[in-house]
Amino acid sequence: GEDVEQSLFLSVREGDSSVINCTYTDSSSTYLYWYKQEPGAGLQLLTYIFSNMDMKQDQRLTVLLNKKDKHLSLRIADTQTGDSAIYFCAEGGLTGGGNKLTFGTGTQLKVEL
Amino acid sequence: DARVTQTPRHKVTEMGQEVTMRCQPILGHNTVFWYRQTMMQGLELLAYFRNRAPLDDSGMPKDRFSAEMPDATLATLKIQPSEPRDSAVYFCASGLGANTEAFFGQGTRLTVV
Repeated sequence: GEDVEQSLFLSVREGDSSVINCTYTDSSSTYLYWYKQEPGAGLQLLTYIFSNMDMKQDQRLTVLLNKKDKHLSLRIADTQTGDSAIYFCAEGGLTGGGNKLTFGTGTQLKVEL
Repeated sequence: DARVTQTPRHKVTEMGQEVTMRCQPILGHNTVFWYRQTMMQGLELLAYFRNRAPLDDSGMPKDRFSAEMPDATLATLKIQPSEPRDSAVYFCASGLGANTEAFFGQGTRLTVV
């Protein structure tokens, strides 16, 4: 079955870059996603990348995809205290006409002053 | 503004009681997901529906959990009887089409004592 793995914690200083990594197993994934969860809230989509792309940039966010190694990363430039949250990587595949998302365990990002 | 609405936000109940959680997907969305989040297991997909039909409920304990969509504007997740190990945050999410962003609700925090 599908499996998505992430490291549990990351701590960075404000202004530095953060890199959150993710590995997945399902090579048939069509899209790969990054979601952000702030305390007490639901998940919010940050960005996604189509599986035939290597890189996607969106303002301070850069997503890199190595399809051969099934490795996905999210880089946050100039990390701010407001970026402190849990970040989930997810893979999506078409199953029976629907899009089933499989989430990783989440990486808790702590931004220190 | 369009959002997924879940009720109740918090629920404390005694072991053995029936619990019903409700979700109103974003109007027009045809895919609804139920996820459970715990510290130990992370985010687990319990069930999902497309056009009100259940596509996959393999993640759901069948003996006590049931998920339905009585109509396009309401999804329910029921636990009967509830057990302390069911304590978690239950998220509903909705989406549109074969591969789109899944919009999450705020979640229902369930505590079974």
